[in-house]
Amino acid sequence: DAKTTQPPSMDCAEGRAANLPCNHSTISGNEYVYWYRQIHSQGPQYIIHGLKNNETNEMASLIITEDRKSSTLILPHATLRDTAVYYCIVPRLSNTGKLIFGQGTTLQVKP
Amino acid sequence: GAVVSQHPSWVICKSGTSVKIECRSLDFQATTMFWYRQFPKQSLMLMATSNEGSKATYEQGVEKDKFLINHASLTLSTLTVTSAHPEDSSFYICSARELARQETQYFGPGTRLLVL
Repeated sequence: DAKTTQPPSMDCAEGRAANLPCNHSTISGNEYVYWYRQIHSQGPQYIIHGLKNNETNEMASLIITEDRKSSTLILPHATLRDTAVYYCIVPRLSNTGKLIFGQGTTLQVKP
Repeated sequence: GAVVSQHPSWVICKSGTSVKIECRSLDFQATTMFWYRQFPKQSLMLMATSNEGSKATYEQGVEKDKFLINHASLTLSTLTVTSAHPEDSSFYICSARELARQETQYFGPGTRLLVL
């Protein structure tokens, strides 16, 4: 997978937007950016993915810079249940779909 | 949609016994499933890629004779930990890839294995 860099931890106040950054400067033109999260003791949960354009779904928004070297996952109104480890992953096209997980960002949403 | 289940959710076994973990895609067909292992306070580590009807592909350092993977149908893959030892105690997680959704993977809830 293209190497990604995420801050190890972040805090966010409940009800506020959580903005989680990810650097992926070695991304290739046809590679997608995927975001997953893992709540404690559960399997990872798919959040969103994108290629070039910004994407939004019922869970989050994904903002990808024009040069595609970085992206930001936005949880518009964080709740306590959003406390989790968030993973930004860029699977290599040659890796037949394998996801290689880094250390991710531990987001702590505080009341 | 896109639900993946695992059974059992947790298992305790004696050292030397074998344990089978099932991974099912409930509402979609998955030609490819993946198996991960996660130790406490660590990230997920990919163990193997399971393709329906063919042999699994194991990541470097994963013993294929110890972790037997079978993917006999488009909705079921199994992982058997043979002759389990305490160091095999871990959180095992599977994922299934739905080709119709741009290769997005969906994960099961995980199986916690404790070998005594």
